[in-house]
Amino acid sequence: EAGVVQSPRYKIIEKKQPVAFWCNPISGHNTLYWYLQNLGQGPELLIRYENEEAVDDSQLPKDRFSAERLKGVDSTLKIQPAELGDSAVYLCASSLTAVRGDGELFFGEGSRLTVL
Amino acid sequence: KQEVTQIPAALSVPEGENLVLNCSFTDSAIYNLQWFRQDPGKGLTSLLLIQSSQREQTSGRLNASLDKSSGRSTLYIAASQPGDSATYLCAVLNAGGTSYGKLTFGQGTILTVHP
Repeated sequence: EAGVVQSPRYKIIEKKQPVAFWCNPISGHNTLYWYLQNLGQGPELLIRYENEEAVDDSQLPKDRFSAERLKGVDSTLKIQPAELGDSAVYLCASSLTAVRGDGELFFGEGSRLTVL
Repeated sequence: KQEVTQIPAALSVPEGENLVLNCSFTDSAIYNLQWFRQDPGKGLTSLLLIQSSQREQTSGRLNASLDKSSGRSTLYIAASQPGDSATYLCAVLNAGGTSYGKLTFGQGTILTVHP
């Protein structure tokens, strides 16, 4: 069974350019997360989806970040325009369902963004 | 707001040693606690998940315990090997308050096992 798939793995852009990341969760997983991870830090939640509904986007900088999960399957995270401080790894994760004791999370390999 | 702390931040041991990684959290209202492993440039790999009603979980040379009332978990690695070198992260799935439904991570312990 395929795990969580993310693309691209690496992206280098100049500041003020747009960038988009794509995530395909494990089949059947209703909950999808986007996390941001800075070097030497633990991941921080950007947005959580239950099916196609964004149930927690309180940490998403909405002036430049947007996300969508059409049809409740794969998801796209967009940054426009990118800033130098956005350089980080963007991780996607999925689970069968979020709020229960056996809700194990599975992560993709991440998309590493470098903004020059 | 839930806060997760991991101690030590870094650990270097010779091959074969048994070692303990510590994780503490401030809010005991959790659904579960997960331990993850992260290799450089890679995503997170789930190692063990302990539900809030459980006390411990074991997988091979790994054993994780949970004391929810005191807000602590430990990851025990037996007979460490160089291949265990990685960053180990713990995370709690919050069951209450403003962090409801969120997975809060610690900052990780960087483990180096040298031959």
